[in-house]
Amino acid sequence: GAVVSQHPSWVICKSGTSVKIECRSLDFQATTMFWYRQFPKQSLMLMATSNEGSKATYEQGVEKDKFLINHASLTLSTLTVTSAHPEDSSFYICSARDQVNQPQHFGDGTRLSIL
Amino acid sequence: GEDVEQSLFLSVREGDSSVINCTYTDSSSTYLYWYKQEPGAGLQLLTYIFSNMDMKQDQRLTVLLNKKDKHLSLRIADTQTGDSAIYFCSGGGYQKVTFGTGTKLQVIP
Repeated sequence: GAVVSQHPSWVICKSGTSVKIECRSLDFQATTMFWYRQFPKQSLMLMATSNEGSKATYEQGVEKDKFLINHASLTLSTLTVTSAHPEDSSFYICSARDQVNQPQHFGDGTRLSIL
Repeated sequence: GEDVEQSLFLSVREGDSSVINCTYTDSSSTYLYWYKQEPGAGLQLLTYIFSNMDMKQDQRLTVLLNKKDKHLSLRIADTQTGDSAIYFCSGGGYQKVTFGTGTKLQVIP
């Protein structure tokens, strides 16, 4: 149980393109989803927290107009990197949980490479 | 906010026990988690412990929590080559969870 599917696994795009990453909870209702960014050989950096039906809460230093998050249903959240540039290249990981007293379950991550 | 510290690297021989240590600063952390990350993959939840527990055992995994010293450890018995990965400890309350720097475990055949 508690499976989170993230799509795509790897995407390569030209600079200026917008890229959408999907995060789905397959067998539970994700009232809260989290988006993280991970640089090589580093820990996870929380970008934003989203509750279903509400606007996402962004961490300090994360541009909300650059990283658009939508959590329109209890099983799907999307992260759109708008007008992506090479510095946005990174490993993006989502996680989801159903209740506040339950652990987060992670997707397999999306490797984003911007040329 | 919470700070979580881990050693960066641990190397053990196959069949030995591995102990990965973690210290945290926020004494109000409700949950403490251990995750495993293999190369190019997301994080896999291994186990977690509530702050009112001292120990939790799950097959080859044993988690020890010392609340007084704010110290958490993960012991892997009979370590296998498939256990080679990066292990993250994390802690927090209901809203936010902070991750440690990760410990890379290398298992030597």
